[in-house]
Amino acid sequence: SQTIHQWPATLVQPVGSPLSLECTVEGTSNPNLYWYRQAAGRGLQLLFYSVGIGQISSEVPQNLSASRPQDRQFILSSKKLLLSDSGFYLCAWSDGGRGSEQYFGPGTRLTVT
Amino acid sequence: GEDVEQSLFLSVREGDSSVINCTYTDSSSTYLYWYKQEPGAGLQLLTYIFSNMDMKQDQRLTVLLNKKDKHLSLRIADTQTGDSAIYFCAEIVGGTYKYIFGTGTRLKVLA
Repeated sequence: SQTIHQWPATLVQPVGSPLSLECTVEGTSNPNLYWYRQAAGRGLQLLFYSVGIGQISSEVPQNLSASRPQDRQFILSSKKLLLSDSGFYLCAWSDGGRGSEQYFGPGTRLTVT
Repeated sequence: GEDVEQSLFLSVREGDSSVINCTYTDSSSTYLYWYKQEPGAGLQLLTYIFSNMDMKQDQRLTVLLNKKDKHLSLRIADTQTGDSAIYFCAEIVGGTYKYIFGTGTRLKVLA
């Protein structure tokens, strides 16, 4: 069966510090991968998605970046965090079929202080 | 543009029906989804509907789709306290692998 992991589960970082959040998927190959952010009281905002290794589509221009160094690994990074980067970050995968369900990870709660 | 709108809050009494509404914008969306998010957790798919359908029923859940008005609704019959959560509708943008989620509706079920 397929599983999706995210870590860390929670993170408190000062403004201006770097960020690295990791997402890995097991039990499938060549998944489409997604990063979303859910800010307090707001909906789910698509940040990046990837349909293959090295292929990243950016939806929101900001100080975040994403990379996919391996087929089932998706990393969200920042060189310098802003207060507005606080939120709940969710990774998701789908099997690539256009109508397919997305499977979400447990999320990372990031607080920038 | 791509935008999916939902009302933010809904409060119902246990045993009543809940109706959560959603308005989407991409008329080429082939699939529309309803996801549920429990507090502090990721999202889980509840149900979906293909764009050539008007209605889909799955146990206590009924999805209605009005393509002309780009309106999607989720009806939960006999709402239970365990149904309290945030409900998101989502569409997949035609011709892409991109999913657009609504703002989420927080459902509170009163005992």
